[in-house]
Amino acid sequence: DGGITQSPKYLFRKEGQNVTLSCEQNLNHDAMYWYRQDPGQGLRLIYYSQIVNDFQKGDIAEGYSVSREKKESFPLTVTSAQKNPTAFYLCASSRTRDSYEQYFGPGTRLTVT
Amino acid sequence: GEDVEQSLFLSVREGDSSVINCTYTDSSSTYLYWYKQEPGAGLQLLTYIFSNMDMKQDQRLTVLLNKKDKHLSLRIADTQTGDSAIYFCAEVTSGTYKYIFGTGTRLKVLA
Repeated sequence: DGGITQSPKYLFRKEGQNVTLSCEQNLNHDAMYWYRQDPGQGLRLIYYSQIVNDFQKGDIAEGYSVSREKKESFPLTVTSAQKNPTAFYLCASSRTRDSYEQYFGPGTRLTVT
Repeated sequence: GEDVEQSLFLSVREGDSSVINCTYTDSSSTYLYWYKQEPGAGLQLLTYIFSNMDMKQDQRLTVLLNKKDKHLSLRIADTQTGDSAIYFCAEVTSGTYKYIFGTGTRLKVLA
């Protein structure tokens, strides 16, 4: 079965700790994306990567970091510098940099207390 | 500026039609999408329309685009309880690869 997996589904952390969210895809897609979703708001782009070993900041990159060492994987680290990290995080991928259809993973709900 | 607006809530009776509306501001948008999100899940692509089209029909779904007014709508015929979800519209401008999402419309279908 091809798709995008995100783990874990729920994640709890204490304030001041860094946490890494996993995103893996076996669709052979070149481009991958991280979004943040807050209640009553649309999705906001954190980072995106159009090719391995390359990534760009989205609209709300502050307090987050990413890496793209493998085509299949695009982990997101929420650092202690992120002021309000509690949110639902969604990973997506698209076939190529010119393909506009994005496919989404099931999401990770992060709660920081 | 870039902005996509949707009403937050819509309630319909089972079997009726639902119409979810979206307005956008970027006149250079190339593609417009509708996604569905069920509780606690990711987004599922429902349908899309190119900016040079007026209408697209796909089974129970009809998308209408009024480019002059920058207005997009999604009509769901014979709405079922399984259609209860949040629906997002999104626009993409050619060459940017960047989605601009609306705030989402929560559709509640009453039995």
